[in-house]
Amino acid sequence: GAGVSQTPSNKVTEKGKYVELRCDPISGHTALYWYRQSLGQGPEFLIYFQGTGAADDSGLPNDRFFAVRPEGSVSTLKIQRTERGDSAVYLCASSGGSGAGYTFGSGTRLTVV
Amino acid sequence: QQPVQSPQAVILREGEDAVINCSSSKALYSVHWYRQKHGEAPVFLMILLKGGEQKGHDKISASFNEKKQQSSLYLTASQLSYSGTYFCGTEMGGATNKLIFGTGTLLAVQP
Repeated sequence: GAGVSQTPSNKVTEKGKYVELRCDPISGHTALYWYRQSLGQGPEFLIYFQGTGAADDSGLPNDRFFAVRPEGSVSTLKIQRTERGDSAVYLCASSGGSGAGYTFGSGTRLTVV
Repeated sequence: QQPVQSPQAVILREGEDAVINCSSSKALYSVHWYRQKHGEAPVFLMILLKGGEQKGHDKISASFNEKKQQSSLYLTASQLSYSGTYFCGTEMGGATNKLIFGTGTLLAVQP
């Protein structure tokens, strides 16, 4: 597509529930990143995909967080047993590779109540 | 590990200049600069690669001093549209080209 698309744009869920956040990157971009951003803070790295594989998942806070990119394009970030502290804007970005800038999606605002 | 930006916030009148600094404790391969308006996603401005280059477009330019592990963003003759939060993103190279974003600088340009 022309840009990075993220769905849903907003998600409200109850504590303890499971959520999935979807990211559709720019066509042809092999690098895909997930970040989360809390109010007043910079984006915090979660995970990086190169193609289908997770090249760096060192930012995932714990084992409740998991992400996949089975066909090398669309990615899904999965959060199990959500906690109120998971509330944030989850941003996805894609890139044409090293030396290229990131294009961010509009984000998914996750609120855990 | 998070790069430190200074100043934290700056208020300008239209037409004034500003400099935003980004400092890292780690050796850097590249530095990115992004601008984020309230409620929107960060937008890529430019990337500077190892080699100490300087770049610019329109009235926004940046420099990268890899020895000092620092980068600076220069905004000249500021416009109202420059308002937003500016983030540097640093990349250390190696197997991953993930960015670590800085603490952010809030820029407000007033008429």
